[in-house]
Amino acid sequence: DGGITQSPKYLFRKEGQNVTLSCEQNLNHDAMYWYRQDPGQGLRLIYYSQIVNDFQKGDIAEGYSVSREKKESFPLTVTSAQKNPTAFYLCASSMTVSYNEQFFGPGTRLTVL
Amino acid sequence: AQTVTQSQPEMSVQEAETVTLSCTYDTSESDYYLFWYKQPPSRQMILVIRQEAYKQQNATENRFSVNFQKAAKSFSLKISDSQLGDAAMYFCAYRGYFTSGTYKYIFGTGTRLKVLA
Repeated sequence: DGGITQSPKYLFRKEGQNVTLSCEQNLNHDAMYWYRQDPGQGLRLIYYSQIVNDFQKGDIAEGYSVSREKKESFPLTVTSAQKNPTAFYLCASSMTVSYNEQFFGPGTRLTVL
Repeated sequence: AQTVTQSQPEMSVQEAETVTLSCTYDTSESDYYLFWYKQPPSRQMILVIRQEAYKQQNATENRFSVNFQKAAKSFSLKISDSQLGDAAMYFCAYRGYFTSGTYKYIFGTGTRLKVLA
């Protein structure tokens, strides 16, 4: 079945540590996205990538980094510079960045202890 | 700056009845897309319906339809014959294109819909 997988489902991190969230898709989509979801704030765009080896900052990129070495994979690293990293993180993809439908993964809940 | 506003944090509807969720947005662009996404308790986001701004006809998908008022910058979602499975958070979203070569996706804060048996 085609789709987007995110792992792990739950992630715990100690303050001051970097952590990487995985996102893989087998939909052959060019574009991929990372969103952060906080209670009462909807989804906010962190980074997106139009194509391999390219990515652009979204509204809240500070304290995050990404890479896009393979079409299928778009990992997100939450660095120690992110002041309030506890949140629900959603990965999405679309055929191209101009295509108007995004498909979402199941999400990763990150908790900083 | 573009904004998306959902003024109803929570709504309730009786099973088999009709409910309308409100969304307003602000933009200076003429070409954009609007979406309604559903997020059930599993937290998997699912596209419900989309509307292209240059199309005057309101989009419809089975029991879901929109009332798109471009001049008023309003994009409401109507759910007919509500079912228990419709209970979820509903997010209104805007996608615009910027001449800088970037796209912007903006989501509202969501409306929690409860369906009463």
